[in-house]
Amino acid sequence: EDKVVQSPLSLVVHEGDTVTLNCSYEVTNFRSLLWYKQEKKAPTFLFMLTSSGIEKKSGRLSSILDKKELFSILNITATQTGDSAIYLCAGLNTGTASKLTFGTGTRLQVTL
Amino acid sequence: NAGVMQNPRHLVRRRGQEARLRCSPMKGHSHVYWYRQLPEEGLKFMVYLQKENIIDESGMPKERFSAEFPKEGPSILRIQQVVRGDSAAYFCASSYSGANVLTFGAGSRLTVL
Repeated sequence: EDKVVQSPLSLVVHEGDTVTLNCSYEVTNFRSLLWYKQEKKAPTFLFMLTSSGIEKKSGRLSSILDKKELFSILNITATQTGDSAIYLCAGLNTGTASKLTFGTGTRLQVTL
Repeated sequence: NAGVMQNPRHLVRRRGQEARLRCSPMKGHSHVYWYRQLPEEGLKFMVYLQKENIIDESGMPKERFSAEFPKEGPSILRIQQVVRGDSAAYFCASSYSGANVLTFGAGSRLTVL
């Protein structure tokens, strides 16, 4: 059975800190790794990573995939209170359905 | 672009009743997915549908649960004879053909009393 494990489960940091969120995966016929941010409403898409070693960046967020070690990290620099959310990692296989296997998420709280 | 619309946002049912959750995909999206999120757990895949077809229902319980995506109208996730364990957030997502990035709706939170 496909599995995605995220760590830490929760994290509290001060505004301005840098955080690294971890995601390891075991996904049969792996295609891509996706990151989502979940606040109170819909999970919103952050990154999709398909190739190893290529960093993707969006503002203060960046992510990279290691297909040899089967993990990905999500970095957030200069955190702000608006970054407080649950960050979800999901593995996508190459099957006929775009079926994502999600981890349980990392709950990030950024305090003043 | 209204995004993926789900309703109701909150639904309360007593044990034994039926729950119907609706999902309208983003404009131009013909693929719909349903996921369930139990408290303190990750999103779990339930079913993947295209118009009038169920493509993959491997994550859906065999009994009491059904899903459809008719030619006209929203996708419906139907739960018959609900039990307390069905209490969860049910998220719908959509994508256009060939895309792997799913756009999620805000979810429908079902509470079974």
